[in-house]
Amino acid sequence: DQQVKQNSPSLSVQEGRISILNCDYTNSMFDYFLWYKKYPAEGPTFLISISSIKDKNEDGRFTVFLNKSAKHLSLHIVPSQPGDSAVYFCAAGGTSYGKLTFGQGTILTVHP
Amino acid sequence: DTAVSQTPKYLVTQMGNDKSIKCEQNLGHDTMYWYKQDSKKFLKIMFSYNNKELIINETVPNRFSPKSPDKAHLNLHINSLELGDSAVYFCASSQDQHTGGGSEAFFGQGTRLTVV
Repeated sequence: DQQVKQNSPSLSVQEGRISILNCDYTNSMFDYFLWYKKYPAEGPTFLISISSIKDKNEDGRFTVFLNKSAKHLSLHIVPSQPGDSAVYFCAAGGTSYGKLTFGQGTILTVHP
Repeated sequence: DTAVSQTPKYLVTQMGNDKSIKCEQNLGHDTMYWYKQDSKKFLKIMFSYNNKELIINETVPNRFSPKSPDKAHLNLHINSLELGDSAVYFCASSQDQHTGGGSEAFFGQGTRLTVV
């Protein structure tokens, strides 16, 4: 019963192009969504988040879009850089929750 | 000055042994967590503590016993280790127990446990 899913296990993108990572959730009680980035042998690090009262949040090269009706969010990275190569986890939580529920991650590879 | 640190980073042990993983955070956060990354790569909550008090226990076998001597520390003790316990365990902390805005979780680097 995975409430947060990332259906693409991997994504390969050329440097300078856009990377789009997708995430779907099933629990309509989630009201806060986050993206974490993870390098090998390190813990996940927080990247960007969005509250359910918004449909877009932007931070530099990173933009997260939220479509509540479709229970879908996406992370856009523009322009992609080789240093962005990592595993990206989508997570959901909120004011009613004491935990984050994670997707299984998408491996992003940015080629020079 | 690592924010969330856990030790050891790697742990190889035999079935049936008892082992502990330690976690410390210097962020002044009130809430700490243990997550397990299983073979399918999902990160799943095991426990959370808020100010030394157990808040969440996600149907984890009672061979796993968290201990929080103070709000900066949350250690994980595992008794009678089994092959299926092999995974990466992550400690995390957040400002408070509600994972809404401003309370993002910060993670340690993980402990790769291998049971042979």
